[in-house]
Amino acid sequence: DAEITQSPRHKITETGRQVTLACHQTWNHNNMFWYRQDLGHGLRLIHYSYGVQDTNKGEVSDGYSVSRSNTEDLPLTLESAASSQTSVYFCASSEGTLNTGELFFGEGSRLTVL
Amino acid sequence: AQTVTQSQPEMSVQEAETVTLSCTYDTSESDYYLFWYKQPPSRQMILVIRQEAYKQQNATENRFSVNFQKAAKSFSLKISDSQLGDAAMYFCAYRRGTGGDDKIIFGKGTRLHILP
Repeated sequence: DAEITQSPRHKITETGRQVTLACHQTWNHNNMFWYRQDLGHGLRLIHYSYGVQDTNKGEVSDGYSVSRSNTEDLPLTLESAASSQTSVYFCASSEGTLNTGELFFGEGSRLTVL
Repeated sequence: AQTVTQSQPEMSVQEAETVTLSCTYDTSESDYYLFWYKQPPSRQMILVIRQEAYKQQNATENRFSVNFQKAAKSFSLKISDSQLGDAAMYFCAYRRGTGGDDKIIFGKGTRLHILP
């Protein structure tokens, strides 16, 4: 069965360290998204990609970067982790404009920045 | 910019009763999609129901139905015969239907408690 997997599921790091969260999907979807979930804020879009070599900033992109070198993967990098980036991070994918665009989600990665 | 508002941070309902979760959105588009996602304690996001804006008929999925009022920009979720397994965070979400803009915008969520 097709799926979307995130790793690590849990990570604790220190302020200032670089962190990369991996996202891998086997749906063969063109679109991939990174959201963060915080209490009182719901899900907020960090970065997204509509295909290989395409990346776009979402509403909370500061301090984060992504790269899309193939269809399956969209890693999220925190260049210098800050305590404000403690959150649960969700990766998601979707087919594209010519359909409803339903998102398929990974199971989330809980990141704690000390 | 499009926005999605869920005005009820938390709600409670007695098991087997009916509950309605509210959602309003703001857009200047005429073609779009609306979704309700469920997030149980396991944290996995699950699509509950979706509605295409061009369809006048309200979507229904078993015990879940929506009341889509396009002119009022309202998209509420009704859960009938509530079950303990319905306890979760529910998110309303919006996506443009045209223009190649596939990103989905979420509301802040409503936490639903089911009382036995």
